Amino acid sequence: EADIYQTPRYLVIGTGKKITLECSQTMGHDKMYWYQQDPGMELHLIHYSYGVNSTEKGDLSSESTVSRIRTEHFPLTLESARPSHTSQYLCASSPSGARQPQHFGDGTRLSIL
Amino acid sequence: AQRVTQPEKLLSVFKGAPVELKCNYSYSGSPELFWYVQYSRQRLQLLLRHISRESIKGFTADLNKGETSFHLKKPFAQEEDSAMYYCALTGKAAGNKLTFGGGTRVLVKP
Repeated sequence: EADIYQTPRYLVIGTGKKITLECSQTMGHDKMYWYQQDPGMELHLIHYSYGVNSTEKGDLSSESTVSRIRTEHFPLTLESARPSHTSQYLCASSPSGARQPQHFGDGTRLSIL
Repeated sequence: AQRVTQPEKLLSVFKGAPVELKCNYSYSGSPELFWYVQYSRQRLQLLLRHISRESIKGFTADLNKGETSFHLKKPFAQEEDSAMYYCALTGKAAGNKLTFGGGTRVLVKP
């Protein structure tokens, strides 16, 4: 079944560790996005990609990085995690074309100790 | 720059009562507006979009360009409507990226 998958769902890890949050979609979408969301707050776009080898920073500055080597895969990496990175990270994808709705994954809830 | 405002953080209504979630926006040009919903322990999902002009789960939303609003309404709220609701906007001037409002939590009491 076509879907968008995020792993892990929850991650508790110590400061200074390198972290990669995985996001894969089998929907055939060209566009993919990463959002950061603190509890009860709005979503902030931190990265997006409109295709392979294309990545852009979003509206909210983030110390994370992303890559898009394959259409279906859009991982997010934190080289050295800090407590300020504690948040929920949501991945989304959408078809090509303007004004298309986005489809969201379940999210990864990240806690840095 | 585009902006989406949801003035109510929490709306608490009784079952069977009408519910209206307010959404106001600022945007230069012709926007596309969406309502997304997140039920407890579920992922964020699209509820409806203004271009479709359809009713989903009894909810409707009308784009009022004069008042720059896209309020979400349901005449008779049900307990299963309890969720977090986000209004979102996109358009060419926004680089076709989504801008979200802060969200409104709806609690429908029995």
